[in-house]
Amino acid sequence: AQTVTQSQPEMSVQEAETVTLSCTYDTSESDYYLFWYKQPPSRQMILVIRQEAYKQQNATENRFSVNFQKAAKSFSLKISDSQLGDAAMYFCAYRSVEGGSEKLVFGKGMKLTVNP
Amino acid sequence: EAQVTQNPRYLITVTGKKLTVTCSQNMNHEYMSWYRQDPGLGLRQIYYSMNVEVTDKGDVPEGYKVSRKEKRNFPLILESPSPNQTSLYFCASSFVTRQGGGTEAFFGQGTRLTVV
Repeated sequence: AQTVTQSQPEMSVQEAETVTLSCTYDTSESDYYLFWYKQPPSRQMILVIRQEAYKQQNATENRFSVNFQKAAKSFSLKISDSQLGDAAMYFCAYRSVEGGSEKLVFGKGMKLTVNP
Repeated sequence: EAQVTQNPRYLITVTGKKLTVTCSQNMNHEYMSWYRQDPGLGLRQIYYSMNVEVTDKGDVPEGYKVSRKEKRNFPLILESPSPNQTSLYFCASSFVTRQGGGTEAFFGQGTRLTVV
């Protein structure tokens, strides 16, 4: 079974600085998808960025980028120029493609605080 | 507007009183699933459905039932709720990736359930 590990339960960053959130996963599959979701106090789950395992190029979305290391099974999220609105819980997630279930597996989450 | 709608948003009930949380999506997604979110545990999958009349257990199915009679609806049923089912529940939907659809899961707003 696939597992996702977010080893840091909490982090803080100064406004305008850069922060990196770590995520590792375990799988025997070769084809899959990885995601970072943001959950602000409103509780809504918001997709931040996605990465296809078969793509070597790291995904970027404005101030958000990932460092995808497939061999190391690592998928970190870098937030540049942090803003107060980035404060939230962040969840790393793995979506299986093989095996038929297409299951989405989440890490336990990390709380990000942005200090003004 | 593309969305996943859950109802109710908040619910307080007593032990043993059957309840249903509804979930509806308007994006013609084949895949729908239910998650519960508990502090320190992330989101864990309860049940999922790959299409109409096709459902299967996730990681924590005990005490829950689901049905998928229509493509757009995927209700979660608690036949005899207990206090350990107090949690934040999310419904999500997406295309089935291996059929060439998108990979992103769209989430409802969440249902905060308290069982006393």
